[in-house]
Amino acid sequence: NAGVTQTPKFQVLKTGQSMTLQCAQDMNHEYMSWYRQDPGMGLRLIHYSVGAGITDQGEVPNGYNVSRSTTEDFPLRLLSAAPSQTSVYFCASSYSYISGRDTQYFGPGTRLTVL
Amino acid sequence: AQSVTQPDIHITVSEGASLELRCNYSYGATPYLFWYVQSPGQGLQLLLKYFSGDTLVQGIKGFEAEFKRSQSSFNLRKPSVHWSDAAEYFCAVAGEDTGGFKTIFGAGTRLFVKA
Repeated sequence: NAGVTQTPKFQVLKTGQSMTLQCAQDMNHEYMSWYRQDPGMGLRLIHYSVGAGITDQGEVPNGYNVSRSTTEDFPLRLLSAAPSQTSVYFCASSYSYISGRDTQYFGPGTRLTVL
Repeated sequence: AQSVTQPDIHITVSEGASLELRCNYSYGATPYLFWYVQSPGQGLQLLLKYFSGDTLVQGIKGFEAEFKRSQSSFNLRKPSVHWSDAAEYFCAVAGEDTGGFKTIFGAGTRLFVKA
């Protein structure tokens, strides 16, 4: 198993540009999520999904969109990038849709800089 | 509101010395508690988790944590630290009242190990 994969590893955007961060898992996990990590703030949940076709907002959803058309993939879209979205983004997945009762497996992260 | 506090931003210990990382949480219902470790440039890896039962939980790499409900704490311990333990450590909480869907992370404690 490749586990949780994320692409790209690094990305630089200009303010106003849009892009999609890719996340895929090959473990047949129901639950997938996106976090952002900022210095001194730990990880904050952006969006999550409890199965294909089902998504919901986390703590900091503004400026981001997600969709889950397949079990494997959970892309994160930045609609109009802003400097405040400069961060490291992590995708995670777990077998159970009740993530609190199951181990989350994290991808290696995408470091995004918005100029 | 649900929250996790890690009072120490960074800690330095000598190799071979014991370690305790503090974690306090605020959560209305029965919490599920986790400790994750993040090595530089990597994603997060689960060290251990507590759902119910024995309040002393054993994890990987020789770590353990003790759940103390009366103190709302879940401190991480290791009797003898190795240089390879230098990393950032995150405490996290989830639970039934959010359907277990949302995990709240602390801001992290960075561990430095000196020879």
